[in-house]
Amino acid sequence: ETGVTQSPTHLIKTRGQQVTLRCSSQSGHNTVSWYQQALGQGPQFIFQYYREEENGRGNFPPRFSGLQFPNYSSELNVNALELDDSALYLCASSLGLEAFFGQGTRLTVV
Amino acid sequence: KQEVTQIPAALSVPEGENLVLNCSFTDSAIYNLQWFRQDPGKGLTSLLLIQSSQREQTSGRLNASLDKSSGRSTLYIAASQPGDSATYLCAVTAGNNRKLIWGLGTSLAVNP
Repeated sequence: ETGVTQSPTHLIKTRGQQVTLRCSSQSGHNTVSWYQQALGQGPQFIFQYYREEENGRGNFPPRFSGLQFPNYSSELNVNALELDDSALYLCASSLGLEAFFGQGTRLTVV
Repeated sequence: KQEVTQIPAALSVPEGENLVLNCSFTDSAIYNLQWFRQDPGKGLTSLLLIQSSQREQTSGRLNASLDKSSGRSTLYIAASQPGDSATYLCAVTAGNNRKLIWGLGTSLAVNP
């Protein structure tokens, strides 16, 4: 167990809808990163939050947005869902250079 | 731009074999390299982390090496078991925001 918890574990949404995914980081970890993993692919970096501020962003459109709260938990929001957004969304928390992952949220867009 | 490549993409071996998975990266400016295991439809389990100043790490039947200058890492699995069947991913930590950059993984099947 890494101490990183993601919710929900599975989710089905309709194209055009909005979704919020949640991540509780390991105690004391002030950095949270989000990754998208499409089927058969390696994870792709979406963005990172450090002490409630965005600290880097990958090649994802603005409809992917996030938040980090004072307790360092985090949300990933995706607006105007597209079929290609179907993927496993992974959250990782870190304090130094080692990342600890949750079990992911499987999002299916139909 | 940092790119991570894993070879082979898939591997099928009989139980008991020793095997080597390969990972290469294009830019040696990394903080560390991690090997992960992923079971079908599941999240990631960290196996080994090698800091950029280290040459290898060992955990049980697993041994990972790092040659930063040549941009290579290997994951050695001794006496493979059917329970080792999974996808093995390597990732390097790099860049100002210390993000993970991933390979596509090696899908391993260990047959009884």
